[in-house]
Amino acid sequence: EDKVVQSPLSLVVHEGDTVTLNCSYEVTNFRSLLWYKQEKKAPTFLFMLTSSGIEKKSGRLSSILDKKELFSILNITATQTGDSAVYLCAVEALIHNNAGNMLTFGGGTRLMVKP
Amino acid sequence: DGGITQSPKYLFRKEGQNVTLSCEQNLNHDAMYWYRQDPGQGLRLIYYSQIVNDFQKGDIAEGYSVSREKKESFPLTVTSAQKNPTAFYLCASSIQQGGGRDTQYFGPGTRLTVL
Repeated sequence: EDKVVQSPLSLVVHEGDTVTLNCSYEVTNFRSLLWYKQEKKAPTFLFMLTSSGIEKKSGRLSSILDKKELFSILNITATQTGDSAVYLCAVEALIHNNAGNMLTFGGGTRLMVKP
Repeated sequence: DGGITQSPKYLFRKEGQNVTLSCEQNLNHDAMYWYRQDPGQGLRLIYYSQIVNDFQKGDIAEGYSVSREKKESFPLTVTSAQKNPTAFYLCASSIQQGGGRDTQYFGPGTRLTVL
């Protein structure tokens, strides 16, 4: 059974701090790993990672994948109160018989950034 | 504008009633998905459909039913058999390229409360 585990479950920091969120996975037929940010409504897409060791960056957010050790991290530097959200990690795997892909989500990390 | 719409945004129902949640997309995506999110948990897959007139059970399909008569629409019915239906329901869609790296795009969600 495919499994995605995120840590920590929750995190409280102050504005300006740097945070690192972790995602480890065990899946068969790995295709990619995705990070989402969920505030009050639907998750919004942040990154898709397919290759080991290549950092993806968007403003203060960056992420990297280690396919050997089966984990990814999401870094947020100079945090702001607007970064407060649940961050979801999902792993995309190939469905049997090459019929398509499916996502397995982790439980999320709830980040709270205090002023 | 292209996107995914879900309605209603908030839904209240009495115990013992069936209720149908709407999900429509005009992205021309082949695949559609229904997820459920409970407080403190990640998303869990209820049903998915890779093509019109076909759908598969996800991890927690009991007490739910779906149909996929049109490519654009994937309604979810929460039946009275669902033991704990109060939750936030998210619909998603993706281009299903069979081995490609598909990103799922999410609707705004429906919050269902059973009174």
